[in-house]
Amino acid sequence: NAGVTQTPKFQVLKTGQSMTLQCAQDMNHNSMYWYRQDPGMGLRLIYYSASEGTTDKGEVPNGYNVSRLNKREFSLRLESAAPSQTSVYFCASGSPAAYEQYFGPGTRLTVT
Amino acid sequence: DQQVKQNSPSLSVQEGRISILNCDYTNSMFDYFLWYKKYPAEGPTFLISISSIKDKNEDGRFTVFLNKSAKHLSLHIVPSQPGDSAVYFCAASERGSGTYKYIFGTGTRLKVLA
Repeated sequence: NAGVTQTPKFQVLKTGQSMTLQCAQDMNHNSMYWYRQDPGMGLRLIYYSASEGTTDKGEVPNGYNVSRLNKREFSLRLESAAPSQTSVYFCASGSPAAYEQYFGPGTRLTVT
Repeated sequence: DQQVKQNSPSLSVQEGRISILNCDYTNSMFDYFLWYKKYPAEGPTFLISISSIKDKNEDGRFTVFLNKSAKHLSLHIVPSQPGDSAVYFCAASERGSGTYKYIFGTGTRLKVLA
């Protein structure tokens, strides 16, 4: 049982480049989330999807887009990367019946 | 504006003693609270939760206390073990409104000294 998987684990981008972070879960959860973690800032919600076909902005959505491809997959896209987007990105999933969220191992992104 | 605050960035405790991690919130509509533990280079893992209809929830060595009037919750770990050394995040949600969003605090790094 893989839980929540994220690819890639590490990525270095140059300013202005684009990339997509992939996330998949095998727990049949309805809700999926993207967070970023920065030193001293905790975990901040970027976007979330309460169910397949819906997405909503979180606390820090600027510079990002998301796609809920199906119930299993939720991707995060950076169209034009900026150094301020250097961070560790976590994907999570959850269901109304299970109040807690389950997190993936994270993607460490550096934008130079 | 930080709706969930963990004012102690770090805490050191001797093995076997009690660890108390604190969390304050400002939004009175929050009705569900969780604690997560995070080891380096791993994703956070769920530890324990509490609903606003309770003031205490226990799970083994971990107890969470909720004081709604003070908008304060705390996580007690007794006895503390070296394996408990990690960053602890509290999180809050307005489950009653149907939202599925959680707001996280900034985390407290716990170091349990052997």
